[in-house]
Amino acid sequence: EAQVTQNPRYLITVTGKKLTVTCSQNMNHEYMSWYRQDPGLGLRQIYYSMNVEVTDKGDVPEGYKVSRKEKRNFPLILESPSPNQTSLYFCASSLRTLAHATNEKLFFGSGTQLSVL
Amino acid sequence: GNSVTQMEGPVTLSEEAFLTINCTYTATGYPSLFWYVQYPGEGLQLLLKATKADDKGSNKGFEATYRKETTSFHLEKGSVQVSDSAVYFCALHGSGNTGKLIFGQGTTLQVKP
Repeated sequence: EAQVTQNPRYLITVTGKKLTVTCSQNMNHEYMSWYRQDPGLGLRQIYYSMNVEVTDKGDVPEGYKVSRKEKRNFPLILESPSPNQTSLYFCASSLRTLAHATNEKLFFGSGTQLSVL
Repeated sequence: GNSVTQMEGPVTLSEEAFLTINCTYTATGYPSLFWYVQYPGEGLQLLLKATKADDKGSNKGFEATYRKETTSFHLEKGSVQVSDSAVYFCALHGSGNTGKLIFGQGTTLQVKP
């Protein structure tokens, strides 16, 4: 089954304790992206990746890191989490970017609810 | 910059009622417009889209028409079901090459039997 898999689904942590949220897709997609969802703000892009070893900042990258060593994986790393990073996080992927194909479609994972105390 | 504004929720309707969720946008150029739906505990799924002015996107009884003159992309359904209860997001993709979607704040729809 074609899917984007995120883990964990729920995570409670404390300020300053490094964590990684994993994201994996099995569709051989080139493009992957991370969003955070906050009440009243919709979803905002954190980072994106056009392909292996190519990553760039989105609108709200502060406090986050990503890597794209393999095509299928795109982990989100919080080196020193803070309470303002408490949010619902979504990973998404598509074969190519929407800029290159208007018929392109973004596939979303089921989300990771992160609470930083 | 680009932005999307949706009507405030929650919207509560009885089954078989008519649904409208308003969405307006601000963008330079000719963006593509989307509606995504998020069912409880799940990720977002593409519901419909339109890539140019006057296009109508449709899926599962939902429709939205890309109106450039009013910069709107309102979502409509003639007869809602309890299973349509979800959060609906309007989004646009602008002229940049980042693949980024700009989302509205989301509108929660609750349909009661």
